[in-house]
Amino acid sequence: QKEVEQNSGPLSVPEGAIASLNCTYSDRGSQSFFWYRQYSGKSPELIMSIYSNGDKEDGRFTAQLNKASQYVSLLIRDSQPSDSATYLCAVNPVWTDKLIFGTGTRLQVFP
Amino acid sequence: DAGVTQSPTHLIKTRGQQVTLRCSPKSGHDTVSWYQQALGQGPQFIFQYYEEEERQRGNFPDRFSGHQFPNYSSELNVNALLLGDSALYLCASQTGLETQYFGPGTRLLVL
Repeated sequence: QKEVEQNSGPLSVPEGAIASLNCTYSDRGSQSFFWYRQYSGKSPELIMSIYSNGDKEDGRFTAQLNKASQYVSLLIRDSQPSDSATYLCAVNPVWTDKLIFGTGTRLQVFP
Repeated sequence: DAGVTQSPTHLIKTRGQQVTLRCSPKSGHDTVSWYQQALGQGPQFIFQYYEEEERQRGNFPDRFSGHQFPNYSSELNVNALLLGDSALYLCASQTGLETQYFGPGTRLLVL
């Protein structure tokens, strides 16, 4: 079992729709969870961090964490073509600073 | 406020050669982590430096080594390059347990 799993996609949504990206992780003791956006040929850019169960909203983005189910998600409301990118889920395992990344989900927003 | 910087941006080497990549952390950050991102994959943790010492290491061979300088900048050295070392090498900086921010990366091609 991979430590962090994501559906590779592509996930295709029309402009203005809600995009839902999902991630599961295996280390039950993990404390910190992150979503990074990566455009083709560029480096990852932090979008959201979440540390406790529930929802965290920032503009059009909402991160959701369920530690009991070991599940993290990212919702993007009013999706725009500029949101088309690969979204990487990353987890801090317990007692470490290193990030464990999933393989990323490619999102395509079409006009 | 300068973000994380890396040099060079691109590099082409041949098998068996050695390479040195450089990273300057974001202002105020004292911890530097290095990641390798192969095409189509998520970043993989190589190692982390704090107070000029390697604090954590991922599952990478001893051909990968690093250094951190008193000004917190860091180098990643790879000896005896293999074709499989071709990847985007990412440097991330942080302070304490705060979020990691990535530099633009160095794209290494080994021929």
